[in-house]
Amino acid sequence: DAGVIQSPRHEVTEMGQEVTLRCKPISGHNSLFWYRQTMMRGLELLIYFNNNVPIDDSGMPEDRFSAKMPNASFSTLKIQPSEPRDSAVYFCASSWDRVQPQHFGDGTRLSIL
Amino acid sequence: SQQGEEDPQALSIQEGENATMNCSYKTSINNLQWYRQNSGRGLVHLILIRSNEREKHSGRLRVTLDTSKKSSSLLITASRAADTASYFCATDGGGSYIPTFGRGTSLIVHP
Repeated sequence: DAGVIQSPRHEVTEMGQEVTLRCKPISGHNSLFWYRQTMMRGLELLIYFNNNVPIDDSGMPEDRFSAKMPNASFSTLKIQPSEPRDSAVYFCASSWDRVQPQHFGDGTRLSIL
Repeated sequence: SQQGEEDPQALSIQEGENATMNCSYKTSINNLQWYRQNSGRGLVHLILIRSNEREKHSGRLRVTLDTSKKSSSLLITASRAADTASYFCATDGGGSYIPTFGRGTSLIVHP
């Protein structure tokens, strides 16, 4: 079975540009999570979806960040406009429900110049 | 904050030795999970232990949970170079079932 698929794996762009990260969760999983990982702050939960509905977005740093889940097989995380401090590895994870073990994608390494 | 804290931050051992990592947390939990992260990859789930459980095993992994001390340990026996990775604990509790991850322990196993 395919795991969680994220794209792109690497993204380098200039500040001010719009960045869109994509995630395909494991089929049948009802919960989807977006995380950001940096050396300084560790792994931070940005937003959690259940059955395609955003349940907890308290981790989204500011209005420049937005996330959508238009259907059970696709989610996006968008940053507009991007800033150098957004540079990090962004992970998507999915699970059967919020309590069950999460399956992580291999992340998108984002560099904002 | 429910976030667990792993200790030590870094651990370096020789192949064949045992590796022990600890996780401490502040408030009561529902579940505690351990994950592994290899360099450049996503996290991989290892073990979930519930608050009413004291010990779980999976292959060379042994996890203990002491809710009175609000701590857990992950023991890797007979370590291998392939065990080199970062190990994270994740706890949920305090009314939330969404796990919060610690900062991790970086384990290096020298062949």
